[in-house]
Amino acid sequence: QSVLTQPPSVSAAPGQKVTISCSGSSSNIGNNYVSWYQQLPGTAPKLLIYDNNKRPSGIPDRFSGSKSGTSATLGITGLQTGDEADYFCGTWDTRLSAWVFGGGTKLTVL
Amino acid sequence: QVQLVESGGGVVQPGKSLRLSCTASGFTFNSYGMHWVRQAPGKGLEWVAVIYFHGNNKYYGDSVKGRFTISRDNSKNTVYLQMNSLRAEDTAMYYCARGSAYNYGYFFEYWGQGTLVTVSS
Repeated sequence: QSVLTQPPSVSAAPGQKVTISCSGSSSNIGNNYVSWYQQLPGTAPKLLIYDNNKRPSGIPDRFSGSKSGTSATLGITGLQTGDEADYFCGTWDTRLSAWVFGGGTKLTVL
Repeated sequence: QVQLVESGGGVVQPGKSLRLSCTASGFTFNSYGMHWVRQAPGKGLEWVAVIYFHGNNKYYGDSVKGRFTISRDNSKNTVYLQMNSLRAEDTAMYYCARGSAYNYGYFFEYWGQGTLVTVSS
């Protein structure tokens, strides 16, 4: 059971928009920055969003992040087949003194 | 460019030990916290441990506390994970990741390609 809660899967058609939620508590999301990671099949995770809503260089603006209270959301617009991957949210948990991740969400682009 | 290269994985019997290494290049190693993150086959990411830039602060996930030890050698740009009393549930791909700051960091900025550990008799 992951400390952060994500939906196991989401799907949408090419060109459409999808959102992935990440729910936590005051000891993690509520008081720390959230980051998001994309893991393409058979590869290592890759940083997608940091500090709740910032994109590293090279990440297209189709990807966006937001945070409100103890929840965070990843948004992807203009879906492409190449976006099919697992997406994970993560943050530091102050009470646990540990990093925590969501269980991951598998995105299918139909 | 930043590179993190893990090594040391393999097949090991339950109860035995293994030491993983991660050699870094392309950045000032002694300025950043370093992490180990693992992923069991078909499962999600599980954070294992972090060591601060100077090596004096270390934190562990509950499932490895007391069995795993993280350390670093800043003269060799290398972080280690000593894994003792290994269990079947430790079977996973182990990733080395660089934090975003000198401490536990706010995100994992760079990841290695991973090294596979299989615990089986």
